[in-house]
Amino acid sequence: KQEVTQIPAALSVPEGENLVLNCSFTDSAIYNLQWFRQDPGKGLTSLLLIQSSQREQTSGRLNASLDKSSGRSTLYIAASQPGDSATYLCAVPSSNTGKLIFGQGTTLQVKP
Amino acid sequence: GAGVSQTPSNKVTEKGKYVELRCDPISGHTALYWYRQSLGQGPEFLIYFQGTGAADDSGLPNDRFFAVRPEGSVSTLKIQRTERGDSAVYLCASSRSGQSNSPLHFGNGTRLTVT
Repeated sequence: KQEVTQIPAALSVPEGENLVLNCSFTDSAIYNLQWFRQDPGKGLTSLLLIQSSQREQTSGRLNASLDKSSGRSTLYIAASQPGDSATYLCAVPSSNTGKLIFGQGTTLQVKP
Repeated sequence: GAGVSQTPSNKVTEKGKYVELRCDPISGHTALYWYRQSLGQGPEFLIYFQGTGAADDSGLPNDRFFAVRPEGSVSTLKIQRTERGDSAVYLCASSRSGQSNSPLHFGNGTRLTVT
């Protein structure tokens, strides 16, 4: 049974710092891995989707990497800003559908 | 264009009552998903529709939970004899094709509180 874990549960950094969020999964046979952002009281917004054949994806200040063999993904945020404060969730599909298994999330606070 | 719309945004009900939660997906999206999110946790899958049919309802916790999508667009999640443990945020998402690489678009959720 696939399990997805995110550590730490919470992270606080000063503005401008580069940071890395971690995601691990137990079954390496994945179709892809996705990173989402969730603001308080809101739904999830898709940030990046890495296909199983890819090693990384970039969007602006965000870079996500995938290492299937070790069951790990990282989300790198460069030059963090207070507007980056949110909960970040990673997820993998349990089949070739949008049925996703989510981690618990990392709540990020970027202090001005 | 409009995103995924969920109504109501908040629902407070008494234990034992029946509730209905509504989801309006993005127009043209064939796949629709319901998830449930408890405080401090990631969303948990409940049910997935492809068109009008439930393609996978393995996440529904018990037979008090039921969902429909009669015309392949709007979906309603129905909970009978609500219990306090049903309190959570219920999220709906839609995607164009239903495949895992088809981006999911989430609504803002319905926060259900059972007193």
